[in-house]
Amino acid sequence: DVKVTQSSRYLVKRTGEKVFLECVQDMDHENMFWYRQDPGLGLRLIYFSYDVKMKEKGDIPEGYSVSREKKERFSLILESASTNQTSMYLCASSSFYESQPQHFGDGTRLSIL
Amino acid sequence: QKEVEQNSGPLSVPEGAIASLNCTYSDRGSQSFFWYRQYSGKSPELIMFIYSNGDKEDGRFTAQLNKASQYVSLLIRDSQPSDSATYLCAVIVDGANNLFFGTGTRLTVIP
Repeated sequence: DVKVTQSSRYLVKRTGEKVFLECVQDMDHENMFWYRQDPGLGLRLIYFSYDVKMKEKGDIPEGYSVSREKKERFSLILESASTNQTSMYLCASSSFYESQPQHFGDGTRLSIL
Repeated sequence: QKEVEQNSGPLSVPEGAIASLNCTYSDRGSQSFFWYRQYSGKSPELIMFIYSNGDKEDGRFTAQLNKASQYVSLLIRDSQPSDSATYLCAVIVDGANNLFFGTGTRLTVIP
């Protein structure tokens, strides 16, 4: 089974802090994704990566950056956290081959105070 | 704009009934279709995928795809209270690796 592990289930940070969310997958997947999920808005793609050191902006990249130094690890960075970034953050991975499903981690519920 | 539309619900069915969840998509280049189940406070879990027109059955779940009409549906037979969750429809457009998600349908199975 695919295992996608997010470093924290719950996280509380303060406005202006730099926040790191970590994600590791054990299936040697090429593709990795970061989403946020808010009530009524569904899943929104923040950033994704098809390969090491490669990144692409999703639908809502403002205020975020990412890092992929190793194939299995994809980090989401909130450069200067703001209260409107309070959300559930979901990491997912998928195989390089076309039409493959994404597998999600358990999510990190982030609160910015 | 690639859009995936779902009725947000809530959809309520009695235990033992068939639950029918529907999804329409706008891009005719959509190639692959997925259903995820998401319990409250949890992450989405893949339950079905379908690539070809017609029906695909897996236990109590049946996915139905009609590319000409651009809809995909999920039937849950013998619904159980444990099926109460939000069901997300997602599609991949030909040549892409990104999933486009609907906002989900909340299903409640009443004991």
